Amino acid sequence: ETGVTQSPTHLIKTRGQQVTLRCSSQSGHNTVSWYQQALGQGPQFIFQYYREEENGRGNFPPRFSGLQFPNYSSELNVNALELDDSALYLCASSTGTTSGANVLTFGAGSRLTVL
Amino acid sequence: GQQLNQSPQSMFIQEGEDVSMNCTSSSIFNTWLWYKQDPGEGPVLLIALYKAGELTSNGRLTAQFGITRKDSFLNISASIPSDVGIYFCAGQRVGGGSNYKLTFGKGTLLTVNP
Repeated sequence: ETGVTQSPTHLIKTRGQQVTLRCSSQSGHNTVSWYQQALGQGPQFIFQYYREEENGRGNFPPRFSGLQFPNYSSELNVNALELDDSALYLCASSTGTTSGANVLTFGAGSRLTVL
Repeated sequence: GQQLNQSPQSMFIQEGEDVSMNCTSSSIFNTWLWYKQDPGEGPVLLIALYKAGELTSNGRLTAQFGITRKDSFLNISASIPSDVGIYFCAGQRVGGGSNYKLTFGKGTLLTVNP
């Protein structure tokens, strides 16, 4: 059973650029969530995707967007990068639907540095 | 964004000692979870709690879901060097369209001196 895999592991961008991060969910999982973890902080919920649709969003601006594909993999896109976007971006998958507790399995994350 | 109140922020202990950390919230959660994060890795689930008052163990780890549903604690007994890492509590609400997101604490950094 493969776990959650994310790519790239590290990347450096400059302010104003755009970035795409990718996530393959754990086998058998149909729901993907994205979290932002700033240095020294706990992860913050960005959004969740279920059946290729956004199923809830945290307090992040519209320049944070995502996609989920039929194979349940997902992308996180961030436009017009700002310095404060520097963080570890975590993808998590689960078997939950729109009801019931979701036990999330996290990937190792993509470390984004914005200069 | 909202984060749970987790304490202590850090702990430095001797191998073999017991450890206790806790998490409080101003709002109710239906599920409490405890995760451990090692450097360069994502959080790994340690214990999940689903009912108020529930006490659950996983090896040397014991966690409890507070009866008010606004708090939880994690105990680690007889600590060993590999317990080093950052421990996060997380709360989740179920139902009402908000049953998907986890709200995390800021973490407790545990250092174990051999």
